[in-house]
Amino acid sequence: GAGVSQTPSNKVTEKGKYVELRCDPISGHTALYWYRQSLGQGPEFLIYFQGTGAADDSGLPNDRFFAVRPEGSVSTLKIQRTERGDSAVYLCASSPGAYNEQFFGPGTRLTVL
Amino acid sequence: AQRVTQPEKLLSVFKGAPVELKCNYSYSGSPELFWYVQYSRQRLQLLLRHISRESIKGFTADLNKGETSFHLKKPFAQEEDSAMYYCALSGPRPQGAQKLVFGQGTRLTINP
Repeated sequence: GAGVSQTPSNKVTEKGKYVELRCDPISGHTALYWYRQSLGQGPEFLIYFQGTGAADDSGLPNDRFFAVRPEGSVSTLKIQRTERGDSAVYLCASSPGAYNEQFFGPGTRLTVL
Repeated sequence: AQRVTQPEKLLSVFKGAPVELKCNYSYSGSPELFWYVQYSRQRLQLLLRHISRESIKGFTADLNKGETSFHLKKPFAQEEDSAMYYCALSGPRPQGAQKLVFGQGTRLTINP
């Protein structure tokens, strides 16, 4: 079956702009995670959804970052007033439940000029 | 604080030689440990987790709580093992979800 998909695959934006990154999890997966991977680093946790609610948003770096999952399926990560330091690959993962294997998407490469 | 350390950014071995990718962690409690792998042009995927005690693609990893280590080993490396390897941990069940904390990764290259 189809895996986790993320759009766009690449996004180039200018400093100060607003961006939205989309994640389509595997159908039926209730848990959804966002991670950020900077160059040369491992993925870093941002936020976790169980169903529609954000169960853990402790990894969001500041209030410019926000994520939603209104219907418990697709999720959107929103970044306001982007900064050059936001440049990274943003990974989404989903799992059947909180303690199951996480399946990762291909990532969105965000470049802030 | 939760931390995963992979001391080697790069590791190169010859085909048929043994491989060991090091992973050390710090966590106040009993975490769950994982190894993830990313092959060229593929997405990140789970290789193995310590609670399963499985051997996947010939790889094994033993959790050593005394040394807080979870090194990944394979007795005879194959060229297809060339990839980026990440060690990760999460808090024990049932304390929340499997929020993963990753190490920086080790790029393994198997030379023919």
